[in-house]
Amino acid sequence: DIQMTQSPSLLSASVGDRVTLSCKASQNIYKYLNWYQQKLGEAPKLLIYYTNSLQTGIPSRFSGSGSGTDYTLTISSLQPEDVATYFCQQYNSWPTFGAGTKLELK
Amino acid sequence: QVRLKESGPRLVQPSQTLSVTCTVSGFSVTSYHVSWVRQPPGKGLEWVGAIWKGGSTDYNSALKSRLSISRDTSKNQVFLKMNSLQTDDTGTYYCAKHRGSGYVMDAWGQGASVTVSS
Repeated sequence: DIQMTQSPSLLSASVGDRVTLSCKASQNIYKYLNWYQQKLGEAPKLLIYYTNSLQTGIPSRFSGSGSGTDYTLTISSLQPEDVATYFCQQYNSWPTFGAGTKLELK
Repeated sequence: QVRLKESGPRLVQPSQTLSVTCTVSGFSVTSYHVSWVRQPPGKGLEWVGAIWKGGSTDYNSALKSRLSISRDTSKNQVFLKMNSLQTDDTGTYYCAKHRGSGYVMDAWGQGASVTVSS
């Protein structure tokens, strides 16, 4: 299985900050990488698919980038409603998820 | 509007079989793939398995020997069965619709919370 490592595990930031979350795969996943947002008590929500494609209805402050084994989710200006845990997921082979980055307000 | 809703028992005894139903609306299970994903309390996500729009299935290799995923196309339902449950199978079980080809899950149910305990 392909292992996904997310960092940091916990991130504290202020409203308006530019926030960057990282995800590293144990091998090349050829951009087959999705990002999900999960708020407390809710189901995950797809934000970004295939590294940098914004899912319909997701605010443009969310963006994704990366290639090979290293991928990034960026929030250009953090909003209070962005407090959540973010998971990356690869699908170059059977899907596996990272352990998540919990984003909180400072 | 696309909707998925899981239903099943909240408590299952160890060694017993879990059965969870995913009832979908707003799309057909013959047009889109559906996956099951689970989440232990306070932990991350684990893909369990999927049923393709054509009816074939794929399973997480670590769970494959205990799993069965099937569907009823007339009722637009997908079923998850997992046998020989242990306490570490406790968690929330989600069904999720795929966006198209590949494992991009663009709509999720609310989840079914399952506790394995005697």
